[in-house]
Amino acid sequence: AQSVAQPEDQVNVAEGNPLTVKCTYSVSGNPYLFWYVQYPNRGLQFLLKYITGDNLVKGSYGFEAEFNKSQTSFHLKKPSALVSDSALYFCAVRDISDYKLSFGAGTTVTVRA
Amino acid sequence: EPEVTQTPSHQVTQMGQEVILRCVPISNHLYFYWYRQILGQKVEFLVSFYNNEISEKSEIFDDQFSVERPDGSNFTLKIRSTKLEDSAMYFCASSEEAGGDGKLFFGSGTQLSVL
Repeated sequence: AQSVAQPEDQVNVAEGNPLTVKCTYSVSGNPYLFWYVQYPNRGLQFLLKYITGDNLVKGSYGFEAEFNKSQTSFHLKKPSALVSDSALYFCAVRDISDYKLSFGAGTTVTVRA
Repeated sequence: EPEVTQTPSHQVTQMGQEVILRCVPISNHLYFYWYRQILGQKVEFLVSFYNNEISEKSEIFDDQFSVERPDGSNFTLKIRSTKLEDSAMYFCASSEEAGGDGKLFFGSGTQLSVL
């Protein structure tokens, strides 16, 4: 069975500071890993994905994520956070043979001005 | 960017009533999904649908649930006899590809409240 853990319910940072949202995963085979963001009253929006290749993947809005196989982690990062990055962030994993995504519980990011 | 649209945005119903949640996936997508999120909990997979049949479903998706693509554009989730615990935000999603690295596009959700 595949699963994702997001250990932090909330992350608070000041604008201009680095932002990290943590994610660890468990999957039987090779993982396909995703980050989604949810703004108020909106659906989940795709940010980035890791399939294979370079462990550092870049996505929308200046976000990036680093795949670490030994630590089974896929942390989301942004070097300089903006107030507009305040949202709910979900990590998700899919096994290579599966249709469904398994989501983490989500991390609420608040960036203060 | 193309969008998945869901209607209604909010649905209030009495326990035991039937509800139909509607979704219009992105037009060239072939794979369709329903997920739900109970307040304060994870986003949970319900069902995936391809080529007019269910390709995978979770334990949540019992006999009270059904999905249909009645007219080639809409994708519906029906709950036959709603229970209090069905109260949740229901998200529809679609993708061009199945599984693997296929990116899912989500609608903004239908908030279902069962009283």
